[in-house]
Amino acid sequence: QVRLQESGPGLVKPSGTLSLTCVVSGGSISTSDWWTWVRQPPGKGLEWIGEISHSGSTDYTPSLQSRVTISVDNSKNQFSLNVFSVTAADTAIYFCARRSTKTCYGCFDFWGQGALVTVSS
Amino acid sequence: QSVLTQPPSVSAAPGQKVTIACSGSTSNIGNNYVSWYQQLPGTAPKLLIYDNNKRPSGIPDRFSGSKSGTSATLAITGLQTGDEADYYCGTWDTALSAGVFGGGTKLTVL
Repeated sequence: QVRLQESGPGLVKPSGTLSLTCVVSGGSISTSDWWTWVRQPPGKGLEWIGEISHSGSTDYTPSLQSRVTISVDNSKNQFSLNVFSVTAADTAIYFCARRSTKTCYGCFDFWGQGALVTVSS
Repeated sequence: QSVLTQPPSVSAAPGQKVTIACSGSTSNIGNNYVSWYQQLPGTAPKLLIYDNNKRPSGIPDRFSGSKSGTSATLAITGLQTGDEADYYCGTWDTALSAGVFGGGTKLTVL
């Protein structure tokens, strides 16, 4: 059973950088799957942020592409998210998830529990 | 403004059936597989339906999915109070090269 766990600061100052890491256990990150970040502002819906393959290929949602980077560390079986120049609008619960290419045609079959990040001075 | 359109809320009585629609376009639902997620209050989303109409192990057959053209539908029969949750459709958008979700539908079991 694959498990994902997010970690990182829960409070970030405006104009600062939001950094989160997702540790994958119970399976290798070096597979054909895609490793994804999704966020959910308080009381709102899910927003797909971006994803990375084990080889480092990335895709980002157009609205955030200029402020986001996702990286992978195969040796530590983890991947990370950086969101730059944050504002209060970036306050959200951030989930990491696996987008499977084997279990299904691109569904998110495993999710982390989520990490609340608040942007405030 | 979500790329996929869902009704904000639906409701029905225990034991009844409810359907949740998800509308998109040829660049997303029309040419890609749809999945559905259930999010209970305070928890992470959970995969409910994948590849338009398949259920992961452990998901009751009260939950079913279908797709036609650029729309998809989630149906839940024999409603239970424990089904009260937010439901999201999701797929890939080929034109955006990005994953997309619907805005979510809150199910109330009266």
